[in-house]
Amino acid sequence: DADVTQTPRNRITKTGKRIMLECSQTKGHDRMYWYRQDPGLGLRLIYYSFDVKDINKGEISDGYSVSRQAQAKFSLSLESAIPNQTALYFCATSDTPEGGSISSYNEQFFGPGTRLTVL
Amino acid sequence: GDSVTQMEGPVTLSEEAFLTINCTYTATGYPSLFWYVQYPGEGLQLLLKATKADDKGSNKGFEATYRKETTSFHLEKGSVQVSDSAVYFCALSWAGGTSYGKLTFGQGTILTVHP
Repeated sequence: DADVTQTPRNRITKTGKRIMLECSQTKGHDRMYWYRQDPGLGLRLIYYSFDVKDINKGEISDGYSVSRQAQAKFSLSLESAIPNQTALYFCATSDTPEGGSISSYNEQFFGPGTRLTVL
Repeated sequence: GDSVTQMEGPVTLSEEAFLTINCTYTATGYPSLFWYVQYPGEGLQLLLKATKADDKGSNKGFEATYRKETTSFHLEKGSVQVSDSAVYFCALSWAGGTSYGKLTFGQGTILTVHP
């Protein structure tokens, strides 16, 4: 089984609808992230969570919200979808630096992505 | 803020050709640098990394050297294969302030290798 799973894998919806994308992980990591990928723009961070009680906005959080239901689950919601939110969405996880030290090289593990189309 | 710039693609090569994908970065301090690869229909996976100046990351025949003086982390492979066709992302992660642990990605470079 995959370590990081995302549901659904594909979704087509209409403008104004509420959409939830779900991410689950079995890696036991505290940190989870939501990114969107657009052609020519790479991946941009929407929200991130360093533990269940710590949620932070990324660079493009407007129009999105998140919920960290448990260590293993991190959901992304679009309260009222609009066409320019059409993109590929990725969830990722990473471990916490050992001993509380600041370490910048922890690998992030990505889910397979959710392709969202807003008509 | 931190940023990563990759050479524009797409890059199209014949099998066994030499590959270079340029990557330069702007950051305060000394970030760690990464190359991620995205195969068709899949999520990103770490290809290689370097955590300090002059480190060389390597994996699957790919190499990249962390050059602080030129703020670069160019990806190279001596002989590409059709199976290397993918999108390649350069990224940095910095340990300072509220940014630590987060990744900043370049825009990605599409590589297509023909037989």
